Amino acid sequence: IAGITQAPTSQILAAGRRMTLRCTQDMRHNAMYWYRQDLGLGLRLIHYSNTAGTTGKGEVPDGYSVSRANTDDFPLTLASAVPSQTSVYFCASSARASAEQFFGPGTRLTVL
Amino acid sequence: GQNIDQPTEMTATEGAIVQINCTYQTSGFNGLFWYQQHAGEAPTFLSYNVLDGLEEKGRFSSFLSRSKGYSYLLLKELQMKDSASYLCAVRDSNYQLIWGAGTKLIIKP
Repeated sequence: IAGITQAPTSQILAAGRRMTLRCTQDMRHNAMYWYRQDLGLGLRLIHYSNTAGTTGKGEVPDGYSVSRANTDDFPLTLASAVPSQTSVYFCASSARASAEQFFGPGTRLTVL
Repeated sequence: GQNIDQPTEMTATEGAIVQINCTYQTSGFNGLFWYQQHAGEAPTFLSYNVLDGLEEKGRFSSFLSRSKGYSYLLLKELQMKDSASYLCAVRDSNYQLIWGAGTKLIIKP
C-alpha cells in the first residue's frame, strides 16, 4: 500500500542522547517535510526538502538536522536531545512544493 | 509576523451543520488548506482554496475570501465520526505551510 512510514512509533530518550527518526515514502514525491506538533500549537516546520539532494530550514530547525540522499528517505536527527524536544513528530510528502501534503503516522518522542 | 487564528473548540449536534472559521495574516498567499486530524492520528487532506469562493466536496465545503484574509469549513449532516480537530493552513510566499492550532470539534448525539 502506497504511503509514508515512520519509525519508531514512539520512543523515550535520555537527554543528551542522539536519535534519528526515520521516514520513507513510496509515492515518488519530490518534496518532503518534518513537523513537530505540540499541544495548543499548530504544526511547526522543522526542515524540508523540495527534491532529492536539497534541504532547507523551516520555522524551528535548531537542534535538528536532515539529509535527503534519495527520493524515498528523509531522516531527522537530534544530535543531543533536550526535554523541550518532547513532541509528536510528523513526516509529510507532496508531489511538488505546491501540492497537498500527505502525512505519516507520526513518532511520539519523550526526552527525559 | 504570520498568524492563523481559529477557534480552539466547538460543539455541535449529530445531523446538524457547523461552520469553522479561520482568519490569517501571512507574508504572501499561495492557497489555503483544510485538514482533518482524529486524536492520535495523522492529519488528512480535506480541501484546498486558492481563488475566492466556495469549493464543495460532498458533506464538506470550504470558502475563501482573500481580501478579508478569511476562510471557513462547512460540515453538513454531521456524523459522530466527524469528531476530530480541523486544521487550517496557509501556503506563504515561500511555498511553506503556516498552520493554525486547530479547532477541536465535538459532536453530541
